[in-house]
Amino acid sequence: GNSVTQMEGPVTLSEEAFLTINCTYTATGYPSLFWYVQYPGEGLQLLLKATKADDKGSNKGFEATYRKETTSFHLEKGSVQVSDSAVYFCALSEGFQKLVFGTGTRLL
Amino acid sequence: GAVVSQHPSWVICKSGTSVKIECRSLDFQATTMFWYRQFPKQSLMLMATSNEGSKATYEQGVEKDKFLINHASLTLSTLTVTSAHPEDSSFYICSATDHNSPLHFGNGTRLTVT
Repeated sequence: GNSVTQMEGPVTLSEEAFLTINCTYTATGYPSLFWYVQYPGEGLQLLLKATKADDKGSNKGFEATYRKETTSFHLEKGSVQVSDSAVYFCALSEGFQKLVFGTGTRLL
Repeated sequence: GAVVSQHPSWVICKSGTSVKIECRSLDFQATTMFWYRQFPKQSLMLMATSNEGSKATYEQGVEKDKFLINHASLTLSTLTVTSAHPEDSSFYICSATDHNSPLHFGNGTRLTVT
């Protein structure tokens, strides 16, 4: 079945450091890919998404590019802030709104 | 923006009792709601999909008699964990959609069964 693998955390960075959180996927067909963020005490929020190969999703300084050849959707940010501390989930869509999540990566 | 309210945020119950978790869409009509379960250091696992007015569709391996889902209105879905046991202790999250906008998630419910 479809699956998402993302790097284990926690990831600990200094303010203004470069962030990369790796995400790879296994899927039949061509799923849409998502990054969700969960701030402490809150629900999951959509951070960005990409619906087809080579699409780049971006939001709040975060970016991720849908790489079909490497089945990856790595999350990057050039300069992290303290306010970015959260848990980040990579996910793919198997069908309308039906998501398969990775394990989440905590950023400290 | 659209908000999904999940209640309670945490609950502790004794083994053998039942627990009900509510998921409400506050400013939109949620035609479809999803229920997820998250084990420590693991991903969110989809348990079931519920459409308003219909029976829920459960994922493989999820006991429908154990996890009762009701979606009787366009703003409320409930998950009842029946005859709870310690292995049911987990973090449960709902999400909702009106099919015209992205999924909106609740804040989750931490269930501890003693």
